[in-house]
Amino acid sequence: AQSVSQHNHHVILSEAASLELGCNYSYGGTVNLFWYVQYPGQHLQLLLKYFSGDPLVKGIKGFEAEFIKSKFSFNLRKPSVQWSDTAEYFCAVRPSGTASKLTFGTGTRLQVTL
Amino acid sequence: GAVVSQHPSRVICKSGTSVKIECRSLDFQATTMFWYRQFPKQSLMLMATSNEGSKATYEQGVEKDKFLINHASLTLSTLTVTSAHPEDSSFYICSAREVLLNTEAFFGQGTRLTVV
Repeated sequence: AQSVSQHNHHVILSEAASLELGCNYSYGGTVNLFWYVQYPGQHLQLLLKYFSGDPLVKGIKGFEAEFIKSKFSFNLRKPSVQWSDTAEYFCAVRPSGTASKLTFGTGTRLQVTL
Repeated sequence: GAVVSQHPSRVICKSGTSVKIECRSLDFQATTMFWYRQFPKQSLMLMATSNEGSKATYEQGVEKDKFLINHASLTLSTLTVTSAHPEDSSFYICSAREVLLNTEAFFGQGTRLTVV
């Protein structure tokens, strides 16, 4: 079974600082990778996804993530965070193929201060 | 993106009663729907996977007689928490996916269940 590890549980940054959230997964086969964001009081929204092709994936709101297969990693980055990026971020992995279930990491709470 | 609607968003019920939560895919056919439970400040834990027209597959440790899942159509799945107890109070989230298109899963807005 697959598993996902997010190293940072709580990150506090000042506005305009750069962000990198770590995500590592364990699974022996081909995977699809996702980053979801959950703003306070709202539902999960997809930030970006990787299925195949270019390992550097660009998502919404200026976020990007890089899939490094050799490191089993899919770290999320943003060059300059905004106060509105304050939210919970979840990395998720799913084995490629139909009907595979999504496994979530424990989440990283990002707090951006003015 | 595709829309998944979950209803109700909040429900308070008395201990011993049953509560039904609906999950609808509004603009696509969801061959597979997933039900998650999220505890405060924790990640989403998958409870069960339901495929339209067949029995749900429950994760280890989830009581299938307590959490009844029905996926009778390609746009609707329901989760019924039977004989609810205070420890069932939680945030329940559904997601839906069109498996044949191999897309990502789309999430409902969640249901905050409080059992008193």
